[in-house]
Amino acid sequence: AQRVTQPEKLLSVFKGAPVELKCNYSYSGSPELFWYVQYSRQRLQLLLRHISRESIKGFTADLNKGETSFHLKKPFAQEEDSAMYYCALSPFFSGSARQLTFGSGTQLTVLP
Amino acid sequence: NAGVTQTPKFQVLKTGQSMTLQCAQDMNHEYMSWYRQDPGMGLRLIHYSVGAGITDQGEVPNGYNVSRSTTEDFPLRLLSAAPSQTSVYFCASRILAGGHNEQFFGPGTRLTVL
Repeated sequence: AQRVTQPEKLLSVFKGAPVELKCNYSYSGSPELFWYVQYSRQRLQLLLRHISRESIKGFTADLNKGETSFHLKKPFAQEEDSAMYYCALSPFFSGSARQLTFGSGTQLTVLP
Repeated sequence: NAGVTQTPKFQVLKTGQSMTLQCAQDMNHEYMSWYRQDPGMGLRLIHYSVGAGITDQGEVPNGYNVSRSTTEDFPLRLLSAAPSQTSVYFCASRILAGGHNEQFFGPGTRLTVL
């Protein structure tokens, strides 16, 4: 079974401060990890995935297999980063379905 | 491309009523899925399909039916609505094979069952 845990339901930081959204996972095989973001009144969209190792909107996330974590980080938060963030996991190789399992989400608020 | 579209945007039902939530995509994606989003529980998979004529259950399938007669459409049916089905429903699609496992989501349907 695969499981994703986001321990913080709500997170508030001041503009310009660093932000870290925590994500831990449980999966016995090789996982593919994602961060999805949902801005107010918008649909969910992919923010980044671990295999591409890219930085999107200043956010980065490193897969730590030893700690089974995929924390999302940004050195200087902006007010437009306020949104709901979901960590998600998919088996890297599991037939054709490769179901996505989502965490419960973290609502980030960046204060002026 | 319109991407993934869902109708209606909002719906209020009485307990016991039935309805169908519509989902369509124009990206020729083989894989389509339905999720429900509840506070503190994230998104949970209801049903999914890997192609026309093929559907399967997700994590929370009870009370919902699906069908996939075409690649483009994947409707979700509530046969007898219950208050526990009050939620926001998202449809999503993606290509089935290959390295990009990115799901594209619809705008959601907010359902209230009284």
